[in-house]
Amino acid sequence: NAGVTQTPKFQVLKTGQSMTLQCAQDMNHNSMYWYRQDPGMGLRLIYYSASEGTTDKGEVPNGYNVSRLNKREFSLRLESAAPSQTSVYFCASSDRVSRTEAFFGQGTRLTVV
Amino acid sequence: AQSVAQPEDQVNVAEGNPLTVKCTYSVSGNPYLFWYVQYPNRGLQFLLKYITGDNLVKGSYGFEAEFNKSQTSFHLKKPSALVSDSALYFCAVRDLSYNTDKLIFGTGTRLQVFP
Repeated sequence: NAGVTQTPKFQVLKTGQSMTLQCAQDMNHNSMYWYRQDPGMGLRLIYYSASEGTTDKGEVPNGYNVSRLNKREFSLRLESAAPSQTSVYFCASSDRVSRTEAFFGQGTRLTVV
Repeated sequence: AQSVAQPEDQVNVAEGNPLTVKCTYSVSGNPYLFWYVQYPNRGLQFLLKYITGDNLVKGSYGFEAEFNKSQTSFHLKKPSALVSDSALYFCAVRDLSYNTDKLIFGTGTRLQVFP
């Protein structure tokens, strides 16, 4: 049981480049989330998806887009990376009906130079 | 609006002493509350949750949390701290109203347990 899998684990981008962070869960969860973690700021919600086919903005959505490709996968795209997007990104999933806790991936450390 | 506050950036405690990490919340519907721990260069690990029922919730590694509706608080406690408890702790509140599922975290509290 892999849980929540994020790829890549590390990435360095140049300002203006684009990239997609991938996330997949194998727990049949209906809810998925993307967070960024910065020192002193805690985890801030970027986007979330309460069910397949729906996505909603979180606390800090600017500069990001998401796709809930199917129930398993929830990707985060940076269209034009900026140094302010240097952060550690976490994907998580949870089950809305049974109200389980959220399960987290191991994170992606992104540096934009 | 949904929010979580962790008023202390850092909590220092001597090994063997009780510890408390504070959390207050705001949510429009029923509160679903969580505590997570993060060790260096690791993801988040679930400690405990309050969904409904008893106000005192017991979780992993000897941690417990007390839900107080009137004070909108959900403080994390442990009777006797260990050096290995030193880590970053996050409180979170989940809003399941109106067919949404928004999970918001606090800014985190660094717990330092001294030998």
